[in-house]
Amino acid sequence: QVQLQESGPGLVKPSETLSLTCIVSGGSIRSYYWTWIRQPPGKGLEWIGSIFYTGSTSYNPSLKSRVTISVDTSKNQFSLNLSSVTAADTAIYYCARDLKDISARYFDYWGQGALVTVSS
Amino acid sequence: DIQMTQSPSSLSASVGDRVTITCRASQSINSYLNWYQQKPGKAPNLLIYAASSLQSGVPSRFSGSGSGTDFTLTISSLQPEDFATYYCQQSYSLPRTFGQGTRLEIK
Repeated sequence: QVQLQESGPGLVKPSETLSLTCIVSGGSIRSYYWTWIRQPPGKGLEWIGSIFYTGSTSYNPSLKSRVTISVDTSKNQFSLNLSSVTAADTAIYYCARDLKDISARYFDYWGQGALVTVSS
Repeated sequence: DIQMTQSPSSLSASVGDRVTITCRASQSINSYLNWYQQKPGKAPNLLIYAASSLQSGVPSRFSGSGSGTDFTLTISSLQPEDFATYYCQQSYSLPRTFGQGTRLEIK
């Protein structure tokens, strides 16, 4: 059973960089896509971006100028950096596996989520 | 971006009821449509992928249908554990986008 666990600071100051890591256990990070999704408190879900285990990335254009997603296959983990944060970036951040099938693509395994608050 | 619109935004129903939630895409997404259930304080959980395929371990009272721009999620007989928020999501093109959610409450 694949498990994902987010880790990182729960509080980030405005204008600084939010950094989170997702550790994958119970399976290899190789051969799959991995994604970050966020959810402001009480609101809906927003896709941030995805990465293939080779390092190929795709980002949401609304965040692209501030987002970097990277992967470390030796540690079976991937990471999110979001720069120049504001209060609008306060959210629960989820990592998930982005499964690509023959005629489908979906997020089948999710981490429990990490609440990140942007405040001075 | 492809806009996903769910209706209704909220719904009150009783245990045993048959419930249908609708999701409409702003352009055709073929069958690249997924449904997730989210309970308070928990991560979303995949229910249906590719519009109508039931994810392993999900009860058979959940079903999905549709293609193109119009999709439905049906719960055939509501159980107490089904009261949650439901999201549709398109995986046809980037950026991936979600519906705004449908909150299913106990009547």
